Amino acid sequence: NAGVTQTPKFQVLKTGQSMTLQCAQDMNHEYMSWYRQDPGMGLRLIHYSVGAGITDQGEVPNGYNVSRSTTEDFPLRLLSAAPSQTSVYFCASSYSPGATYEQYFGPGTRLTVT
Amino acid sequence: AQKVTQAQTEISVVEKEDVTLDCVYETRDTTYYLFWYKQPPSGELVFLIRRNSFDEQNEISGRYSWNFQKSTSSFNFTITASQVVDSAVYFCALSILGQNFVFGPGTRLSVLP
Repeated sequence: NAGVTQTPKFQVLKTGQSMTLQCAQDMNHEYMSWYRQDPGMGLRLIHYSVGAGITDQGEVPNGYNVSRSTTEDFPLRLLSAAPSQTSVYFCASSYSPGATYEQYFGPGTRLTVT
Repeated sequence: AQKVTQAQTEISVVEKEDVTLDCVYETRDTTYYLFWYKQPPSGELVFLIRRNSFDEQNEISGRYSWNFQKSTSSFNFTITASQVVDSAVYFCALSILGQNFVFGPGTRLSVLP
C-alpha cells in the first residue's frame, strides 16, 4: 500500500492564482481530511469528508474548496491564493471520524504564496 | 467544545536524560480517544499511540511511556534515556466518537548530544 499520497510536495503561487492540491489514499478509508500547519498553532482542520459525495467544513475553511467524487481522492482547491495561505498542508485518512482509529497522514505540501 | 493544551512550547535536554511532555485535554464527553503523534525534522506525522477514555492503564513501549489520568485530564508522554533521534515536534490529539480530531499546538523537543 502507498498509504496517503500528496502532490505536489512544494508549490509557489502568486497572489490571486488558483491551484489544486492532490490527495489520494489506497486503504479504502471513508474519512479524509485536510489540515494546515502553521508555526505554533498545531494542525487546524480545513475541510473533511466522511465518504464519497459528502464534505463539510472544519475550523478554517475560508478560501478553500473540496470535493469527494471517489473514496480514494480528496483534492483541495485554493480559489484565489493569498499570502495568509502560506502554510504546510497535510491530508489524512482514517476508517472513521474520531472513534478508535488513528489518522494516517500524507507527507505534506509546502505552499508559499507571494 | 474540545480543547488540547500542550503548555511546553520547546524543551531541550541532553542525551540520556528522561523527559516528559505534558498534554491536558478538555471535553465533556465520557467516551473519547487520545493520541500522540511525532513530527521529526523531515516533516511527516508519525502515529505513536491511541488510548480510549475507559482504559487508564499506563503504557510502555521501549523507551516511551504514557501516563493517562482522567482525574487531571492529562495524557503525558515520557521518553526515557532520550536520544538525538527523538528530536521532533510532538502533538497530542483528542477525538470524540463521530467527530473530528483536535490537536494541541505541539511541543518541540531538542535532544542535544
